[in-house]
Amino acid sequence: LAKTTQPISMDSYEGQEVNITCSHNNIATNDYITWYQQFPSQGPRFIIQGYKTKVTNEVASLFIPADRKSSTLSLPRVSLSDTAVYYCLVGDGHSGAGSYQLTFGKGTKLSVIP
Amino acid sequence: DTAVSQTPKYLVTQMGNDKSIKCEQNLGHDTMYWYKQDSKKFLKIMFSYNNKELIINETVPNRFSPKSPDKAHLNLHINSLELGDSAVYFCASSQGAGFAANEQFFGPGTRLTVL
Repeated sequence: LAKTTQPISMDSYEGQEVNITCSHNNIATNDYITWYQQFPSQGPRFIIQGYKTKVTNEVASLFIPADRKSSTLSLPRVSLSDTAVYYCLVGDGHSGAGSYQLTFGKGTKLSVIP
Repeated sequence: DTAVSQTPKYLVTQMGNDKSIKCEQNLGHDTMYWYKQDSKKFLKIMFSYNNKELIINETVPNRFSPKSPDKAHLNLHINSLELGDSAVYFCASSQGAGFAANEQFFGPGTRLTVL
């Protein structure tokens, strides 16, 4: 399981676009990149997943450069309700016990300011 | 209609006790997981389990054991509770094994406090 590095925290004003970057220099060929969102006192919630280039859904976009050593989660026009912790997870579908050492990391705490 | 449910939501107990947390999913998924989130907010996977394979994080003490009576349930048993076991425990499920590549659905969590 690839180790990921994200900023610990970010602040943004309402209505702005927010980009959160995750570094994963040792990503493997079969690894996917997945982002989760977690609100206080709740379990994480899946946001988006990608393998390469760009993926977009109704809530976010995920940009992945050609070398796949990083990825950027883009949240368009954030609102106060987007205040949460965002986790980047990189791995494949065949994780063995040894890969469970690193999981969701610390995530990025996004604070949206009125 | 809750997809993944856990009981209890809060659990307060004394050191040395044995306790269980129950998890049920109604999504028809074939893989379930247990996670531990400590006070620093690290979310660490403890187990993944489907009807074919139990994968254990080797850092998890053997006082923790998952038990699955059927495909929709994965309970977590903890023996001889210690102070360091205090955390929020999340159950999750996915269709397909491999927690990093398959969308997971998480339960609301169980906050365990060991006194």
